Parts: sequence; structure tokens; C-alpha cells
Amino acid sequence: EIVLTQSPGTLSLSPGERATLSCRASQSVSSSYLAWYQQKPGQAPRLLIYGASSRATGIPDRFSGSGSGTDFTLTISRLEPEDFAVYYCQQYGSSPPGTFGQGTKVEIK
Amino acid sequence: QVQLQESGPGLVKPSGTLSLTCAVSGGSISSSNWWSWVRQPPGKGLEWIGEIYHSGSTNYNPSLKSRVTISVDKSKNQFSLKLSSVTAADTAVYYCASTVTFSLRYFDLWGRGTLVTVSS
Repeated sequence: EIVLTQSPGTLSLSPGERATLSCRASQSVSSSYLAWYQQKPGQAPRLLIYGASSRATGIPDRFSGSGSGTDFTLTISRLEPEDFAVYYCQQYGSSPPGTFGQGTKVEIK
Repeated sequence: QVQLQESGPGLVKPSGTLSLTCAVSGGSISSSNWWSWVRQPPGKGLEWIGEIYHSGSTNYNPSLKSRVTISVDKSKNQFSLKLSSVTAADTAVYYCASTVTFSLRYFDLWGRGTLVTVSS
């Protein structure tokens, strides 16, 4: 079973700054089957990125994903006030398919 | 536009069975998606519980497998979760979700979630 470790646990930044979130897998994620989600308090997660680097429908281009193998990154180029939230990565290339990382909280500094 | 809606008791007694249903509207449960359950304990992260295909094929989280049953009712266009022998550790918001396709198992559609509390 693949274990996903996200870092840092919390990222304190100001609006307009760049956010870099990491997701490291315990084994190689096949076919770069890695997704990123954003979750705000009281809401369900929202799909941001799939296939490691493809933006989901309606996601602004300030969100980008990169990486392969065991190391993946979500970058938010310039933080907007609505981007402060918790972000989760998920691998779907190996069984069990729904493995999530523990999350990174992006908070206002 | 496909929507998912969870329903079920918000309070379950310890050692009892948690039962939830997810109604699929605006689309067919017989489409090429896996239908899944994900939970989130208060203040914690997401945990995948399991999934079902309309054929009845299932996959479960190994850590919960002995207590979980997911079923599908095509006549009602819904799928269900049963979790037995619950404890306080099973208190969580339970989400139903669907994958993009049979082979691309990331979640592009989520229900709003329902809080289930395990308490006497």
C-alpha cells in the first residue's frame, strides 16, 4: 500500500505570495496517477489537479501541479484570499486506489 | 448535472451499525464510474473507505474491510454503506463521491457530506 506524506503540515503565507506544497509517495505512483484537492471548512473537497499536472475544469491557472515517480508538487503562483484552505493529494494508480495524504493547511500569515 | 446526496442517521450507538445511503441524481448509477465512500473525522484528514461498481464489484480499505459493506441499488439509483461494530473513532463526516471513469479513480464529484456521531 502506498503511503503519501505531505509537507509542510502548515504553510503561513500572505496574499500574493507563492505557495509550494509537497506530496511524497512511499513507492512510485504509476502513470503519474496523482490528484490534488482543495478543502475549505464545512465543504467537500474540490478537485484541482489530476494526472499530476492537468487542471480540472474551472480551476484557475495560478494552480499548477508537477512531478512524477515519488515526488509531486502543487504550486499556487500568487495566493488569492480564497486559496487559504487545506490541500490533499491522492494517488489512484495502485490498490487501494483512494490513498490520501494527511493534508497541508495554507493559512494567512 | 450529476449530484450526490448522502442520507442516514446522524447518531449511532457504540457497537451498532452505521448505515448511509447516497442518492445519485441527474445521471445513472450504471455509468462507468466507481461509487465511493470517504470519511473525515473532526479536524482530521480524508480516509477512503471503499468503492463499488454498478456490477457489484467492490474494493475496501484494508483497515476497515472486516466491518464494511458497500452495496448498490440500481432500481433506486443509489448506493449504500454499512459499517458494523462502530466506536467513537468512527465519528466523522461521511462523503459519497464518484470517480471520473472506471480506470481513472480520482474524484470529480462529491456529496456535501453528513456527520455521523457514535455515542450512547
